[in-house]
Amino acid sequence: ETGVTQTPRHLVMGMTNKKSLKCEQHLGHNAMYWYKQSAKKPLELMFVYNFKEQTENNSVPSRFSPECPNSSHLFLHLHTLQPEDSALYLCASSQDFGGGSTDTQYFGPGTRLTVL
Amino acid sequence: DAKTTQPPSMDCAEGRAANLPCNHSTISGNEYVYWYRQIHSQGPQYIIHGLKNNETNEMASLIITEDRKSSTLILPHATLRDTAVYYCIAGNSGNTPLVFGKGTRLSVIA
Repeated sequence: ETGVTQTPRHLVMGMTNKKSLKCEQHLGHNAMYWYKQSAKKPLELMFVYNFKEQTENNSVPSRFSPECPNSSHLFLHLHTLQPEDSALYLCASSQDFGGGSTDTQYFGPGTRLTVL
Repeated sequence: DAKTTQPPSMDCAEGRAANLPCNHSTISGNEYVYWYRQIHSQGPQYIIHGLKNNETNEMASLIITEDRKSSTLILPHATLRDTAVYYCIAGNSGNTPLVFGKGTRLSVIA
């Protein structure tokens, strides 16, 4: 089993829909991350959770709502999105979030989101 | 995280070594150098990381200069499947997540 899985892999939604992205890591890590990657742009960090507590929110609009029920699962709830929110949404995890070699992040395959 | 500078693109002939440079002149003493790559439309893949010493694993070698202001990722025998964007990140200062830049787009040519 690969370390970090994401579902769904592809999602098409209207601007009035509500959907959720799911991420699961099987690595026993304590930190999990959501990134957004728009076409031809670098990865943008959205949220960071460490031991289920949110430690970072990079000025993300409230139409994106993260949830981390435990160290293995991370959700991104989506509502009333805009077409410019169409992007590849990537989840990652790392052993720790506090220094040193254990910050190495392992990524999932991503969810390709299209907002119509 | 320290700022890194990478060339936007590079070409490499298949079977030859690919040497990808990275400048991180403002790196601090406790910051590691990480390399990731991202093949088109996939999640980034961890390659290697190091602090001071050169490192080697099954994927690549990492050469860090003695003053730690720059490093080189070496793919010893590049294949077409190594075509990707390669990210060099100098980071980790306590509770700050790693920041990805624009990376180097490596094209391996047959």
